[in-house]
Amino acid sequence: LAKTTQPISMDSYEGQEVNITCSHNNIATNDYITWYQQFPSQGPRFIIQGYKTKVTNEVASLFIPADRKSSTLSLPRVSLSDTAVYYCLVGITGGGNKLTFGTGTQLKVEL
Amino acid sequence: GAGVSQSPRYKVTKRGQDVTLRCDPISSHATLYWYQQALGQGPEFLTYFNYEAQPDKSGLPSDRFSAERPEGSISTLTIQRTEQRDSAMYRCASSSSTGDTGELFFGEGSRLTVL
Repeated sequence: LAKTTQPISMDSYEGQEVNITCSHNNIATNDYITWYQQFPSQGPRFIIQGYKTKVTNEVASLFIPADRKSSTLSLPRVSLSDTAVYYCLVGITGGGNKLTFGTGTQLKVEL
Repeated sequence: GAGVSQSPRYKVTKRGQDVTLRCDPISSHATLYWYQQALGQGPEFLTYFNYEAQPDKSGLPSDRFSAERPEGSISTLTIQRTEQRDSAMYRCASSSSTGDTGELFFGEGSRLTVL
């Protein structure tokens, strides 16, 4: 299983763009990259998923270079409510497979 | 059900007692996961089910931990002879085997405290 490495924490201010990078050097051909967000006292919540290049939805963008050994979650114009832990997962989706969370990145957004 | 439901939400027990936690997944979801999450840490994989089959239980910390999903729906996680180090949040998640993303839907969790 591909192991992921993320920064432990990041600080930002409201209105700024935040980019969180995840390294996954031994990602397998069939693996997807998925990001989850977790607020205190809640379970993780799906944000975005991608396989290659760029994916964008209403809350974030995910950039994946051609070698797929890393990925970057981009949060545009963050607000205080984006303060949370962000996890990068790498694995095969659908059909049930072991999905492992790493230590995550604690994002703190201030005024 | 509409979402993943876990019970009890809170459980306090004495060391040496057995506890059983329950998870009721989203009704159409084939896959069910159990995670253990200590305070300030990420969720640690325990085991998962595809319907009633349990392909991977490599994350169960010891033979005191067991999980079942006999009819491919509701699942239970049982911890025998609890120890203080078992204190944690236990999270259940389910996903659809036919979904495009395999998104995990988490329940509210069961917080276990072993005294």
